[in-house]
This record gives sequence, structure tokens and C-alpha cells, in this order.
Amino acid sequence: GQQVMQIPQYQHVQEGEDFTTYCNSSTTLSNIQWYKQRPGGHPVFLIQLVKSGEVKKQKRLTFQFGEAKKNSSLHITATQTTDVGTYFCAGPGGTSYGKLTFGQGTILTVHP
Amino acid sequence: NAGVTQTPKFQVLKTGQSMTLQCAQDMNHNSMYWYRQDPGMGLRLIYYSASEGTTDKGEVPNGYNVSRLNKREFSLRLESAAPSQTSVYFCASTQGYEQYFGPGTRLTVT
Repeated sequence: GQQVMQIPQYQHVQEGEDFTTYCNSSTTLSNIQWYKQRPGGHPVFLIQLVKSGEVKKQKRLTFQFGEAKKNSSLHITATQTTDVGTYFCAGPGGTSYGKLTFGQGTILTVHP
Repeated sequence: NAGVTQTPKFQVLKTGQSMTLQCAQDMNHNSMYWYRQDPGMGLRLIYYSASEGTTDKGEVPNGYNVSRLNKREFSLRLESAAPSQTSVYFCASTQGYEQYFGPGTRLTVT
């Protein structure tokens, strides 16, 4: 089945530093989604990217979808302690509508 | 709207015991999912139900069964719990592309 690989597994930053997590697939993705999970919480949808080369911004978060639609990234500018958590990318998980395959996630720690 | 609810929040089982995890959503979504989350493994799909009356295996279905009781409810059953099933279990639902997750059940099997 399709696999989505995500790196790094862990990232420790000082508050104010930037952060980037990367997601890669061996096959072309029709779309990619990003979720955030706060410590002790549940995953919450952030965004979906559909178009080749698409870039979307949400305040300090910038999401990109590669030209070949095989990779994606999430970049956070000037991290804050509220950014702490695990960030997951997810690609389509097969032919069943709505099914997803999640990456392993990147755990972000922000030191004040 | 409560969104997606799960019960129980925590459970400790002994090896060989059985239990059912309950999930309900009030968003009138067609599709529902059960995932398990283990450290470093991300979210792995156990079973899903694309619509009421249908269920299908996901990536890690062994040791589990599911029931789509109606459009709102999707339960996950462990017939004979094993320590390898110690995990956090999330239920999710969707009508479009965005999945909505429940708060999770933290299960420990000793």
C-alpha cells in the first residue's frame, strides 16, 4: 500500500526559531492533508493541499505541495510555546473515499 | 454538537479479556474510522466504514472486530486482549475530506 514518510521524527527548538517538517511519498498524491495533535489530545485538521506547487499560509504556518505532488512541507516561522505538539501529514489511503494514510509524525518541542 | 465522542477514556485489561470501545458522531457523516496510535508509528488504520452497513479492514485489523451499528455509531471490539494491543485508540469520521477525531481511549493490557 501507499506509504507516506515524514521527517524528522523529533525537533527541539528555542522559542522564536523556525521549524520545518517534511513529508514524502513514492507515488503521486492527489492531495495531502496536515493535522496537529497537542500533547494528550487528538489530531485536528489544519489544511488540505490539492494543486501541484500549491502554497498556503495560516498566520505563521506555511504549507507547500511539491510540483510533482510527491512531497509536502509545513514551515512554522518564529515558533511559540503554543506550537508544541505532533504534526502529521496524510495522503489518500486507497480508493475508498476519505480514507487516509498518515505519516509517522514530527514531535515539536519548543523551549521558552 | 458534541462532534465525535468515545467511551471509555481509559481502560486497563488483563490478557485474554474482551472489551468494546464505543464511538459516536453527531455530524451525520457517512464514513467512520478506527485508528491506533503508538509511539513513532503515527496513526494506523484498523478498520473503517465507508457508509452505514459496510465495514472494511485497514492496515492492522488482526485481533479486532467492528460493528457499524447505525450511521452514528461505530464500535471496536477486542475479543481476547493481548499486551501488543496496548495503545491509544482514536475514532474519526468524515463527510468530505477533513477527518474529525474523537478524544481517544487509552488502553493498557497487562
